Amino acid sequence: GESVGLHLPTLSVQEGDNSIINCAYSNSASDYFIWYKQESGKGPQFIIDIRSNMDKRQGQRVTVLLNKTVKHLSLQIAATQPGDSAVYFCAETRQSGGSNYKLTFGKGTLLTVNP
Amino acid sequence: EAGVTQFPSHSVIEKGQTVTLRCDPISGHDNLYWYRRVMGKEIKFLLHFVKESKQDESGMPNNRFLAERTGGTYSTLKVQPAELEDSGVYFCASSPPRLTNTGELFFGEGSRLTVL
Repeated sequence: GESVGLHLPTLSVQEGDNSIINCAYSNSASDYFIWYKQESGKGPQFIIDIRSNMDKRQGQRVTVLLNKTVKHLSLQIAATQPGDSAVYFCAETRQSGGSNYKLTFGKGTLLTVNP
Repeated sequence: EAGVTQFPSHSVIEKGQTVTLRCDPISGHDNLYWYRRVMGKEIKFLLHFVKESKQDESGMPNNRFLAERTGGTYSTLKVQPAELEDSGVYFCASSPPRLTNTGELFFGEGSRLTVL
């Protein structure tokens, strides 16, 4: 599978703990944000999205928080499981500009869940 | 329903050679994207097709890269001649037509390119 670069931020948690992965985005015109999960040897997989008119959105075991003032996005994973181990990417785009989902990705965070 | 498929999964070539990567999007998805991830760096946009037309190719690194989507179905990305810095994983993604689009891109597993 794809190896992870040495410069990738990492987060190591115990199984059952909650995880928080952070992301700073750069474009103040972005109005749509997505979190993707990439497991080794696989492509990015959609987790959850949020639009700029919201500051929080919840899914199953995951919550995304958006702070537009400081251009910060976070992904919270409740009761982290070994299967959550992966690289997590945030992505941003400006839907209103007609970019039709040309995404700008963050660098990614490697989450390791220890049993 | 079949997902986005990419071929080959891994290609090892020498500098100066040519490689062609193929992507088959999900059936019915008009939008097709190419992205790549160079080792240790973020996933970067290369280009976007709507059906057979190039909507945005602003991310293509240089004229050694050529993408096509004849007939609006599968797409190919050719690198000719390949250079060492082209090594990385090339991802293809697709999404439905705009009116039904939730914004989610469906990614393939990627084609890893190693240039020696």
